[in-house]
Parts: sequence; structure tokens; C-alpha cells
Amino acid sequence: AQSVTQLGSHVSVSEGALVLLRCNYSSSVPPYLFWYVQYPNQGLQLLLKYTSAATLVKGINGFEAEFKKSETSFHLTKPSAHMSDAAEYFCAVRNTGGFKTIFGAGTRLFVKA
Amino acid sequence: DTAVSQTPKYLVTQMGNDKSIKCEQNLGHDTMYWYKQDSKKFLKIMFSYNNKELIINETVPNRFSPKSPDKAHLNLHINSLELGDSAVYFCASSQVPGETYEQYFGPGTRLTVT
Repeated sequence: AQSVTQLGSHVSVSEGALVLLRCNYSSSVPPYLFWYVQYPNQGLQLLLKYTSAATLVKGINGFEAEFKKSETSFHLTKPSAHMSDAAEYFCAVRNTGGFKTIFGAGTRLFVKA
Repeated sequence: DTAVSQTPKYLVTQMGNDKSIKCEQNLGHDTMYWYKQDSKKFLKIMFSYNNKELIINETVPNRFSPKSPDKAHLNLHINSLELGDSAVYFCASSQVPGETYEQYFGPGTRLTVT
């Protein structure tokens, strides 16, 4: 069965600092991996996804993530945080051939001025 | 144009009542989902329909019943509401149920049971 672990329920960074949100997955078959962002009182929207085409994936708003099979990780990074990045971030996994997407517990990102 | 819309946005009701939440998508997707997000932001899949056929039916109380009149609509009916049903319910859609396709989420319906 697949699962997702997001390390750190809260992450706080200063504006302009590096953002690093950690995600580790468990899957018995090659996975598809996703990062979604949820702004307050809104639904989730896709930031980026890994579909085996390239291990370094670039997404919207300057975010990127690297798939590392040996570490079963898919960490999300952004070189320089903006105040507008403050939101809840969800890592998600789906097995190839599977219907169900499993979401992590979420990481709340705070950005300090 | 709103891609995935839900009504109502807020729903406050008393225990024991029956209520429905409606969802519509105009993306031409084949698959729709219902998720429940609790107060700790944990997101759990409840149901999924592909072309009006139920393909995911998680362990939820049978007081919850989804209905898909066509592939653009997926409604959620809840009987005999309980305090623990208070949560935000999200509808989502995707092009097909698996493969590489991401899901598009609606704005959510905040259900409060008093």
C-alpha cells in the first residue's frame, strides 16, 4: 500500500530565504507524485507533478521538486520565499495503474517579513 | 469560468438533519471525487465516480451517499447528520481516474453540525 509522510507540520522561513518542505513516500510500484498548495479558505491546486519523465520537476510560482528513488523522497523547494507563499502544502502519491491518490498530512508554511 | 464549483459554500445545520452538497465541473473530465478535510487539514478520499460508475468507495458511514446524474455532476447526500460530520468537503475532478493526471479541486463546502 502506498503512503506519504510529510516531515514537519509547520515550517517557518523569513522572506527571501530558502523554502524546503520534506516528503517521503512508500510505494510498491513506481509512483506518480504530486505537490498541491491550499491557500486559506480555498481548494487545493497543483504546484507540480512527477510522472517519471524527469527527476527534477519545475512547477508554478518558482517551486521545484526532485524525485530521489534511493531515498524515496520528493522534497519541495523554492530558492526565495515570498509572503504570498504562506499556505498549506500537500504531498500526494498515486501508484501507476491505481485510482486512489493518497495525501500527506500537510505542512503549513509561514513566511516572516 | 469556474472549473469545479460546489454549492453551498457554507452549511450550518442541526444534528439529525439530512443535507446535500452539489458539485459540477465544466472541464469535460470523466472522473469526480469527494474528499473530507478535518480540522487538522487531513484530507481523506470518500468516493470517486468514473463516467457515472462508482470506482472508489472508502469506509465511510452509509449515511453518506454519492449520486452522479451525469459525468459533469457529483452530489453528496448525508443523512442523520452527526457532530463528527463537521468538516470541509471538497469535490474534485480529473481527466481519467489514474495515470498521470492531476485533480482539480472545488472551493470546498464548510459543513458545521450543531
